Amino acid sequence: NAGVMQNPRHLVRRRGQEARLRCSPMKGHSHVYWYRQLPEEGLKFMVYLQKENIIDESGMPKERFSAEFPKEGPSILRIQQVVRGDSAAYFCASSRAGNYEQYFGPGTRLTVT
Amino acid sequence: SQQGEEDPQALSIQEGENATMNCSYKTSINNLQWYRQNSGRGLVHLILIRSNEREKHSGRLRVTLDTSKKSSSLLITASRAADTASYFCATDAGAGNNRKLIWGLGTSLAVNP
Repeated sequence: NAGVMQNPRHLVRRRGQEARLRCSPMKGHSHVYWYRQLPEEGLKFMVYLQKENIIDESGMPKERFSAEFPKEGPSILRIQQVVRGDSAAYFCASSRAGNYEQYFGPGTRLTVT
Repeated sequence: SQQGEEDPQALSIQEGENATMNCSYKTSINNLQWYRQNSGRGLVHLILIRSNEREKHSGRLRVTLDTSKKSSSLLITASRAADTASYFCATDAGAGNNRKLIWGLGTSLAVNP
């Protein structure tokens, strides 16, 4: 059973470009969570999605950031017009409906130059 | 908003010694979870303890939960160099459909050979 997959693992964007981060949850998991982590810091919750539904986006900036988890395909975290401050590791986690344990992907390291 | 606060922020011990990390939280919870993160990697779930449990074991790990003090501790016995990592506690205080976890900032553990 493959774990949570994230791609790309590393992404370099220039200021003003768009970044798209993908997350494929574990098989059988219908809940996806996105987190951001700055160097030497803890995880910061961004958004929690179920298939075709955003449950909680209270940790996601209102501007430039969006997330989706379509019926088919991976969850996408999209950052428009990236700025240097968006440079961070973005982790995706998934869980089974009704099960609280989260399983993490390896992360995408975004660098904005 | 941050719920869990780990203590200490950093801990350095010798191989073979025991390591104890503490986590305090603010609101009532459904469960509390401990995760480990090796440098630059995704998080790995270690153990989940429910609000009606007081102690749980998994291999060399022992977790306690005191809901009256809103605190938990993670004990790693007979530590090894491979235990060097950051350890995070996360609380599930969600209700209904919203099961997001609230994360602490982590304890950085260094086990010296």
